[in-house]
Amino acid sequence: SSELTQDPAVSVALGQTVSITCQGDSLRSYYASWYQQRPGQAPILVIYGKNNRPSGISDRFSGSSSGNTASLTITGAQAEDEADYYCNSRDSSGSHWVFGGGTKLTVL
Amino acid sequence: QLQLQESGPGLVKPSETLSLTCTVSGGSISSSSYYWGWIRQPPGKGLEWIGSRYYSGSTYYNPSLKSRVTMSLDTSKNQFSLKLNSVTAADTAVYYCARHIVTTILGNSFDYWGQGTLVTVSS
Repeated sequence: SSELTQDPAVSVALGQTVSITCQGDSLRSYYASWYQQRPGQAPILVIYGKNNRPSGISDRFSGSSSGNTASLTITGAQAEDEADYYCNSRDSSGSHWVFGGGTKLTVL
Repeated sequence: QLQLQESGPGLVKPSETLSLTCTVSGGSISSSSYYWGWIRQPPGKGLEWIGSRYYSGSTYYNPSLKSRVTMSLDTSKNQFSLKLNSVTAADTAVYYCARHIVTTILGNSFDYWGQGTLVTVSS
């Protein structure tokens, strides 16, 4: 089991807002980064640091953190946002890195 | 634009060594700002960090794989490589190489990824 815990599946109605969460003790000390992975494709970085988006990533994606929980929020979800989402951060020792188990987002 | 490309055998026999190379173009692996990492994904499962290596030699491995993994850099070819020995069917996965940024202010992220290569462990 991963040191970062994500809900396996989340759904959202088209155009609505959804948050995907990632829980872990290390998140009290370290930022999470977030990745989108569509079927058959490599992951893409969508959020890093406190709330930073790489160039080319829609401003519909935002990140936040509170206590041991990091969140990825998608505002006005679109059909193309349907994908698996993974969080990543340091592990509880702070010496290594770990991915969450992933959340499958379905846009209804 | 930075590009990464994995290469290596797609089929490895059990107990043998898996060897992959990642060729980087559009940037230098000798840059002091970056680590270079490997991540894998078994079919139908999630992502697993394998390890990351800094240009100067500092290397960090997933504790669960540490006894079997070696990562190295070849700055003359702008490539970095992964070796995983004593493989079993459980090592069957898509293997990705990626650039790994680790900073105090911005945390860590894997910002550029290769397309991935499927390695199957089977006799």
